[in-house]
Amino acid sequence: ETGVTQTPRHLVMGMTNKKSLKCEQHLGHNAMYWYKQSAKKPLELMFVYNFKEQTENNSVPSRFSPECPNSSHLFLHLHTLQPEDSALYLCASSQERYGYTFGSGTRLTVV
Amino acid sequence: AQTVTQSQPEMSVQEAETVTLSCTYDTSESDYYLFWYKQPPSRQMILVIRQEAYKQQNATENRFSVNFQKAAKSFSLKISDSQLGDAAMYFCAYRSLNTGNQFYFGTGTSLTVIP
Repeated sequence: ETGVTQTPRHLVMGMTNKKSLKCEQHLGHNAMYWYKQSAKKPLELMFVYNFKEQTENNSVPSRFSPECPNSSHLFLHLHTLQPEDSALYLCASSQERYGYTFGSGTRLTVV
Repeated sequence: AQTVTQSQPEMSVQEAETVTLSCTYDTSESDYYLFWYKQPPSRQMILVIRQEAYKQQNATENRFSVNFQKAAKSFSLKISDSQLGDAAMYFCAYRSLNTGNQFYFGTGTSLTVIP
């Protein structure tokens, strides 16, 4: 247990479905992130929240919708995804200048 | 934007031997952080080692050490006495101190440890 918990670990969804990914941290960190990890590509930063406020949105399509109700929880709402959105979605948290603490990720397959 | 390059997609090492993973980065900043992360098959990204750019001394963590060459913008990871549990993907990462909490990752190096 690393302090950052992601659920579910695996998710298969159709292109017309709506689903949500959940991330939870109890480390007292003030920043949380969503990353997309695809094979043979660098990790792609999707969203950053600092003190529950979204501070970055790296040109992510609107079919991905983040939500941060409090500093311990982060969601990624998914709807009408495409097969190319299949990837490992990693959540991370951090405190000021320290490194990230990552969750184990959600392996998403869009069929 | 900063870029991080890992030129070795795959590496292998004999158990108990030493291996070095390469990483270069491009930046115009003078102060930043560099990291190596390990991602085993369990998918958990684990922090291996961290280096502050203002420190000349190379960071070490047990069997893991770095060779930080600031002028050359190089940040290699040396794993000594390699163990089977070291087999994983290794990612080099750059953290800017000027763009909030933004990290930049390389594409990773897959390390195989041969018994």
